[in-house]
Parts: sequence; C-alpha cells; structure tokens
Amino acid sequence: GEDVEQSLFLSVREGDSSVINCTYTDSSSTYLYWYKQEPGAGLQLLTYIFSNMDMKQDQRLTVLLNKKDKHLSLRIADTQTGDSAIYFCAETSSSSNTGKLIFGQGTTLQVKP
Amino acid sequence: DGGITQSPKYLFRKEGQNVTLSCEQNLNHDAMYWYRQDPGQGLRLIYYSQIVNDFQKGDIAEGYSVSREKKESFPLTVTSAQKNPTAFYLCASRSGAGGNSPLHFGNGTRLTVT
Repeated sequence: GEDVEQSLFLSVREGDSSVINCTYTDSSSTYLYWYKQEPGAGLQLLTYIFSNMDMKQDQRLTVLLNKKDKHLSLRIADTQTGDSAIYFCAETSSSSNTGKLIFGQGTTLQVKP
Repeated sequence: DGGITQSPKYLFRKEGQNVTLSCEQNLNHDAMYWYRQDPGQGLRLIYYSQIVNDFQKGDIAEGYSVSREKKESFPLTVTSAQKNPTAFYLCASRSGAGGNSPLHFGNGTRLTVT
C-alpha cells in the first residue's frame, strides 16, 4: 500500500542548512508536498512539487525529487529559530479521485541558537 | 480573509459523551477532510466529503460521524464508540481533487476525554 516515511528528529545550529528527507512507495505519486506545523497549530503549506520536476526553489527552501529512488528532500538555507517546527511530507496520486493525501509521521526540527 | 475556522480550540468531555467539532470554511472549496493527529504520528484520515450531501469514510472512521449539509460546513461528531478519542483533530479543505490544489488546514481542536 501507499506509505510515506520520514526521520523523526533533526537538530541544527542557527545559520546552518537543514535537510529533511522523505521516502514514499507509490510510484504513481503525482504531487509531493511539504507542510510545516508549529506547536498547537494546523499545518501550513510550504511548497509542493509536481512529479515531472527534479527541483523547485522558493527563497530559502529547495525541494529535490529523485523519482527513481522515490526520495524527496526539503533543504532550508540559513535556518532560523523560527523554523523550529514539525515538517510533514505528503503525496497524492493522479490515479486517486478522492484528493486524499498520504502523510509521513513528521520530522521535528530543532534549531539551536 | 478567507480561511478555515475550527472551534473550539480546546474541548474537554467525559467518557461516554458524544461531542461535535465544528469546521467552517469561506474559501468556496468543494472538498473537505477531517484528520486525526496523535503524538509522533502522521495524520490519519477520518472522513472526507467532495460535494454537499455526500461523504466517504477514510482510514479510521469507526466511532466518528459527519454531515455535509452546506458547502461551508463539515462538522465531526466523536461518538462514545470511539475507543481512544483524545487527540488533535484537523479539518482541511481544497478546491478540487486534483493534486495541484493543495490542502488548506484549520488550526485544529484538541479534544481531551477523561
């Protein structure tokens, strides 16, 4: 079945780059998303990438997609303390008519001053 | 401002009582979703609705019920049959089922049942 896996925790120093990784199993995945969740809040869409793209950059965020290995990463440049949050990877398939997203468990990013 | 409003933010109930969580959106989105989040886990889909007066079970629908009488509203009832109701509940919506219309989330309701 469909599955999305993420490492649970990442700790970096302020100013360093953060790289959060995600793997997925559905080969028909069409869109892959990154969401950010701050404590006690809902999920905020950060960015998403279509499966025919290898890379997408948006200010400090860079998304890399390796379709062969079914691997997605989110790089945050110049990480700030305000970036501390849980980051979720999610995917959906064009074969799905429900719009259902499959989420990973979330990666907690801790940014130390 | 358009968005999704969930209320209340915190909810406390005694075991054996049904409780209804509110979700309202003014984004004119067709599809709405309810997810449950537990610590250290991803989001699990409870119910979803792609059109008014129609809804489908997600992966963990047992012990929950929903209605979709209006496009803007998708309330979730947590019944006494739900064995572990304490969790953070997230409502979401999107303009269509296509992948290029991302999910937009509300700020969640934290339900505690004792």
